[in-house]
Amino acid sequence: DVKVTQSSRYLVKRTGEKVFLECVQDMDHENMFWYRQDPGLGLRLIYFSYDVKMKEKGDIPEGYSVSREKKERFSLILESASTNQTSMYLCASRPFGGVDEQFFGPGTRLTVL
Amino acid sequence: AQSVSQHNHHVILSEAASLELGCNYSYGGTVNLFWYVQYPGQHLQLLLKYFSGDPLVKGIKGFEAEFIKSKFSFNLRKPSVQWSDTAEYFCAGNTGNQFYFGTGTSLTVIP
Repeated sequence: DVKVTQSSRYLVKRTGEKVFLECVQDMDHENMFWYRQDPGLGLRLIYFSYDVKMKEKGDIPEGYSVSREKKERFSLILESASTNQTSMYLCASRPFGGVDEQFFGPGTRLTVL
Repeated sequence: AQSVSQHNHHVILSEAASLELGCNYSYGGTVNLFWYVQYPGQHLQLLLKYFSGDPLVKGIKGFEAEFIKSKFSFNLRKPSVQWSDTAEYFCAGNTGNQFYFGTGTSLTVIP
Protein backbone atom coordinates (compact mmCIF):
# COMPACT_ATOMS: atom_id res chain seq x y z
CA ASP A 1 0.00 0.00 0.00
CA VAL A 2 1.04 3.54 -0.71
CA LYS A 3 2.03 5.40 2.37
CA VAL A 4 2.23 9.15 2.68
CA THR A 5 3.48 10.41 6.01
CA GLN A 6 3.60 13.91 7.41
CA SER A 7 6.05 14.95 10.08
CA SER A 8 3.53 16.21 12.62
CA ARG A 9 -0.19 15.75 13.28
CA TYR A 10 -0.43 18.91 15.38
CA LEU A 11 1.80 21.95 15.41
CA VAL A 12 1.57 25.22 17.31
CA LYS A 13 3.73 28.14 16.21
CA ARG A 14 3.95 31.84 16.90
CA THR A 15 3.43 34.65 14.42
CA GLY A 16 6.59 35.38 12.49
CA GLU A 17 8.18 31.97 13.00
CA LYS A 18 9.52 29.97 10.07
CA VAL A 19 7.61 26.71 9.79
CA PHE A 20 8.57 23.54 7.97
CA LEU A 21 6.04 20.86 7.13
CA GLU A 22 7.52 17.64 5.82
CA CYS A 23 5.91 15.00 3.66
CA VAL A 24 7.37 11.66 2.62
CA GLN A 25 5.92 9.05 0.27
CA ASP A 26 7.22 5.54 -0.24
CA MET A 27 5.88 4.61 -3.67
CA ASP A 28 8.30 6.42 -5.99
CA HIS A 29 5.58 8.80 -7.17
CA GLU A 30 6.65 11.65 -9.41
CA ASN A 31 3.90 14.08 -8.42
CA MET A 32 3.48 15.54 -4.97
CA PHE A 33 1.04 18.16 -3.75
CA TRP A 34 0.38 20.46 -0.82
CA TYR A 35 -3.15 21.55 0.03
CA ARG A 36 -4.76 23.44 2.82
CA GLN A 37 -8.19 22.38 4.02
CA ASP A 38 -10.53 24.89 5.62
CA PRO A 39 -14.19 24.44 6.57
CA GLY A 40 -16.50 25.44 3.74
CA LEU A 41 -13.61 25.96 1.34
CA GLY A 42 -12.62 22.38 0.68
CA LEU A 43 -9.09 21.64 -0.47
CA ARG A 44 -7.10 24.42 -2.06
CA LEU A 45 -3.86 23.69 -3.84
CA ILE A 46 -0.82 25.57 -2.56
CA TYR A 47 1.97 24.05 -4.65
CA PHE A 48 2.69 20.89 -6.53
CA SER A 49 5.82 19.25 -7.86
CA TYR A 50 6.05 16.90 -10.81
CA ASP A 51 9.71 16.02 -10.37
CA VAL A 52 12.71 16.62 -8.16
CA LYS A 53 13.55 20.32 -7.94
CA MET A 54 10.47 21.16 -10.04
CA LYS A 55 7.54 23.08 -8.62
CA GLU A 56 4.41 24.81 -9.81
CA LYS A 57 2.24 27.32 -8.00
CA GLY A 58 -1.26 26.28 -7.16
CA ASP A 59 -4.22 28.47 -6.40
CA ILE A 60 -2.97 30.01 -3.13
CA PRO A 61 0.86 30.10 -3.10
CA GLU A 62 1.22 33.47 -1.35
CA GLY A 63 3.09 33.18 1.94
CA TYR A 64 4.37 29.69 1.16
CA SER A 65 7.34 28.11 -0.56
CA VAL A 66 8.28 24.50 -1.22
CA SER A 67 11.33 22.34 -1.60
CA ARG A 68 11.82 19.01 -3.33
CA GLU A 69 15.40 17.87 -3.17
CA LYS A 70 14.59 14.15 -3.21
CA LYS A 71 11.85 12.33 -5.03
CA GLU A 72 10.21 10.97 -1.91
CA ARG A 73 10.17 14.19 0.11
CA PHE A 74 8.22 17.41 -0.41
CA SER A 75 8.47 20.20 2.12
CA LEU A 76 6.16 23.14 2.64
CA ILE A 77 7.71 26.24 4.17
CA LEU A 78 5.96 29.15 5.81
CA GLU A 79 8.63 31.83 5.77
CA SER A 80 6.92 33.98 8.39
CA ALA A 81 3.84 32.36 9.83
CA SER A 82 0.72 34.43 10.23
CA THR A 83 -2.55 33.73 12.03
CA ASN A 84 -4.44 33.39 8.74
CA GLN A 85 -2.27 30.37 7.95
CA THR A 86 -3.87 28.43 10.78
CA SER A 87 -5.31 25.47 8.94
CA MET A 88 -5.12 21.77 8.17
CA TYR A 89 -2.36 21.02 5.69
CA LEU A 90 -2.59 17.93 3.52
CA CYS A 91 0.12 16.34 1.44
CA ALA A 92 -0.64 14.00 -1.45
CA SER A 93 1.30 12.02 -4.02
CA ARG A 94 0.46 10.42 -7.34
CA PRO A 95 2.25 8.68 -10.21
CA PHE A 96 2.94 10.81 -13.25
CA GLY A 97 0.09 10.90 -15.76
CA GLY A 98 -2.36 8.04 -16.11
CA VAL A 99 -5.64 7.79 -14.29
CA ASP A 100 -4.44 7.16 -10.78
CA GLU A 101 -5.88 8.96 -7.83
CA GLN A 102 -3.96 11.00 -5.31
CA PHE A 103 -2.89 9.36 -2.07
CA PHE A 104 -3.14 11.54 0.99
CA GLY A 105 -1.24 11.83 4.21
CA PRO A 106 -2.98 12.19 7.58
CA GLY A 107 -2.62 15.97 7.63
CA THR A 108 -0.94 18.49 9.91
CA ARG A 109 -3.16 20.78 11.90
CA LEU A 110 -1.19 23.99 12.26
CA THR A 111 -2.17 26.68 14.72
CA VAL A 112 -0.41 30.04 14.52
CA LEU A 113 -0.79 32.15 17.64
CA ALA B 1 -11.60 27.87 -15.79
CA GLN B 2 -11.68 24.26 -14.73
CA SER B 3 -13.67 23.66 -11.57
CA VAL B 4 -15.70 21.20 -9.57
CA SER B 5 -18.75 22.21 -7.57
CA GLN B 6 -20.73 20.48 -4.86
CA HIS B 7 -24.06 22.05 -4.09
CA ASN B 8 -24.94 20.16 -0.93
CA HIS B 9 -22.88 21.58 1.89
CA HIS B 10 -24.45 19.72 4.77
CA VAL B 11 -26.76 16.73 4.56
CA ILE B 12 -28.49 15.03 7.47
CA LEU B 13 -30.12 11.64 6.97
CA SER B 14 -31.57 8.90 9.12
CA GLU B 15 -30.10 5.42 8.90
CA ALA B 16 -31.43 3.39 5.96
CA ALA B 17 -32.28 6.51 3.96
CA SER B 18 -30.98 6.80 0.42
CA LEU B 19 -28.19 9.21 -0.38
CA GLU B 20 -27.36 11.28 -3.42
CA LEU B 21 -24.66 13.94 -3.34
CA GLY B 22 -24.33 16.25 -6.30
CA CYS B 23 -21.12 17.02 -8.15
CA ASN B 24 -20.71 19.06 -11.31
CA TYR B 25 -17.56 19.78 -13.23
CA SER B 26 -16.59 22.23 -15.91
CA TYR B 27 -14.05 20.86 -18.36
CA GLY B 28 -13.93 20.98 -22.07
CA GLY B 29 -12.10 17.74 -22.72
CA THR B 30 -11.28 14.42 -21.17
CA VAL B 31 -11.62 14.35 -17.44
CA ASN B 32 -11.07 11.83 -14.70
CA LEU B 33 -13.46 12.09 -11.76
CA PHE B 34 -13.14 10.94 -8.17
CA TRP B 35 -15.03 10.82 -4.93
CA TYR B 36 -13.04 10.91 -1.72
CA VAL B 37 -14.27 10.42 1.82
CA GLN B 38 -12.80 11.78 5.04
CA TYR B 39 -14.05 10.09 8.20
CA PRO B 40 -13.69 12.10 11.42
CA GLY B 41 -10.04 12.28 12.40
CA GLN B 42 -8.86 10.26 9.41
CA HIS B 43 -7.13 11.05 6.14
CA LEU B 44 -8.86 11.33 2.79
CA GLN B 45 -9.37 8.04 1.06
CA LEU B 46 -10.71 7.12 -2.34
CA LEU B 47 -14.31 5.92 -2.63
CA LEU B 48 -14.40 5.48 -6.39
CA LYS B 49 -13.13 6.90 -9.65
CA TYR B 50 -14.17 7.21 -13.26
CA PHE B 51 -11.86 7.61 -16.22
CA SER B 52 -13.57 5.81 -19.12
CA GLY B 53 -15.97 3.02 -20.02
CA ASP B 54 -19.10 2.20 -18.06
CA PRO B 55 -20.45 5.49 -16.70
CA LEU B 56 -21.83 3.74 -13.63
CA VAL B 57 -18.94 3.22 -11.26
CA LYS B 58 -19.06 1.12 -8.12
CA GLY B 59 -16.81 1.87 -5.20
CA ILE B 60 -16.15 0.71 -1.69
CA LYS B 61 -18.73 0.39 1.09
CA GLY B 62 -21.71 0.18 -1.26
CA PHE B 63 -21.20 3.58 -2.90
CA GLU B 64 -21.66 4.20 -6.60
CA ALA B 65 -21.54 7.19 -8.92
CA GLU B 66 -22.84 7.90 -12.39
CA PHE B 67 -20.98 9.96 -14.95
CA ILE B 68 -23.46 11.88 -17.12
CA LYS B 69 -21.47 13.74 -19.74
CA SER B 70 -24.42 15.76 -21.06
CA LYS B 71 -25.05 17.15 -17.59
CA PHE B 72 -21.38 17.48 -16.57
CA SER B 73 -22.31 15.58 -13.44
CA PHE B 74 -20.84 12.80 -11.32
CA ASN B 75 -23.28 12.29 -8.46
CA LEU B 76 -22.54 9.93 -5.60
CA ARG B 77 -25.24 7.52 -4.44
CA LYS B 78 -25.85 4.92 -1.79
CA PRO B 79 -29.20 3.14 -1.44
CA SER B 80 -29.13 2.81 2.34
CA VAL B 81 -26.79 4.81 4.57
CA GLN B 82 -25.41 3.73 7.91
CA TRP B 83 -24.30 5.71 10.93
CA SER B 84 -20.70 4.85 9.99
CA ASP B 85 -21.09 6.81 6.74
CA THR B 86 -20.97 10.04 8.73
CA ALA B 87 -18.06 11.85 7.09
CA GLU B 88 -17.10 14.60 4.70
CA TYR B 89 -17.26 13.77 1.01
CA PHE B 90 -15.24 15.47 -1.68
CA CYS B 91 -15.67 15.32 -5.42
CA ALA B 92 -12.57 15.95 -7.54
CA GLY B 93 -11.71 16.21 -11.20
CA ASN B 94 -8.35 15.74 -12.86
CA THR B 95 -6.76 16.70 -16.12
CA GLY B 96 -3.05 16.21 -16.58
CA ASN B 97 -1.29 16.69 -13.26
CA GLN B 98 -3.79 19.05 -11.66
CA PHE B 99 -6.68 18.08 -9.44
CA TYR B 100 -9.66 20.29 -8.70
CA PHE B 101 -11.70 19.66 -5.58
CA GLY B 102 -15.20 20.66 -4.65
CA THR B 103 -15.84 22.36 -1.33
CA GLY B 104 -17.07 19.17 0.25
CA THR B 105 -20.34 17.85 1.65
CA SER B 106 -20.65 17.02 5.31
CA LEU B 107 -22.93 14.03 5.82
CA THR B 108 -24.42 13.27 9.21
CA VAL B 109 -26.33 10.02 9.61
CA ILE B 110 -28.63 9.82 12.61
CA PRO B 111 -29.08 6.37 14.15
